[in-house]
Amino acid sequence: QVQLVQSGAEVKKPGASVKVSCKASGYTFTSYGLSWVRQAPGQGLEWMGWMSAYNGNTNYAQQFQGRVTMTTDTSTSTAYMELRNLRSDDTAVYYCAREDVVVVVGGTHRVFDIWGQGTMVTVSS
Amino acid sequence: DIQMTQSPSSLSASVGDRVTITCRASQNIRNYLNWYQQKPGKAPKFLIYAASSLQSGVPSGVPSRFSGSGSGTDFTLTISSLQPEDFATYYCQQTYSTPTTFGQGTKVEIK
Repeated sequence: QVQLVQSGAEVKKPGASVKVSCKASGYTFTSYGLSWVRQAPGQGLEWMGWMSAYNGNTNYAQQFQGRVTMTTDTSTSTAYMELRNLRSDDTAVYYCAREDVVVVVGGTHRVFDIWGQGTMVTVSS
Repeated sequence: DIQMTQSPSSLSASVGDRVTITCRASQNIRNYLNWYQQKPGKAPKFLIYAASSLQSGVPSGVPSRFSGSGSGTDFTLTISSLQPEDFATYYCQQTYSTPTTFGQGTKVEIK
């Protein structure tokens, strides 16, 4: 079945980096984009950025520019999100989500139709 | 960035109740509005796109008791007859412009 499986929980110290992986299966990896979304404990959803699995193009949310890098390995259908210079307020569950584009009368709509199970990243000294 | 505001932040309801959640955008987003359901400790689940179209993929087709409506700045998610499995937090998302933004969530609890 179509699924995204993420790497396990991480504990990092402030100033360190973390790299989370997201392995896709059940669909053609390069036919879709992937977004990364995070959720701080007890909080809502925050979009971090998007990348094309087809050509590697990226679009990062302004608040993460300079600290985040999203990459893919098409040979293993795996996407990666690296966040650097971690702070305590980066403690969150990080999700990858497949982006599909649905065409309807009047426009095309982005949808996050498949999500990974989430990776808890804890930043603590 | 477009701000998305949901109301209420939480509500208590009984099985069989009709439940309505509102999402308001800070500017006109036409119908570029999605809804997601999230249960504790789980990833969000995609429910509705283009404000009113139910996700119909197999095996995760959305039950017909869910419906969405609205355009412009005001949108609603309605559950016509609340079922035990519907107790969760619901999020709206605008995809009209980048960055995509989410509402703060509405938690539907058991009365």
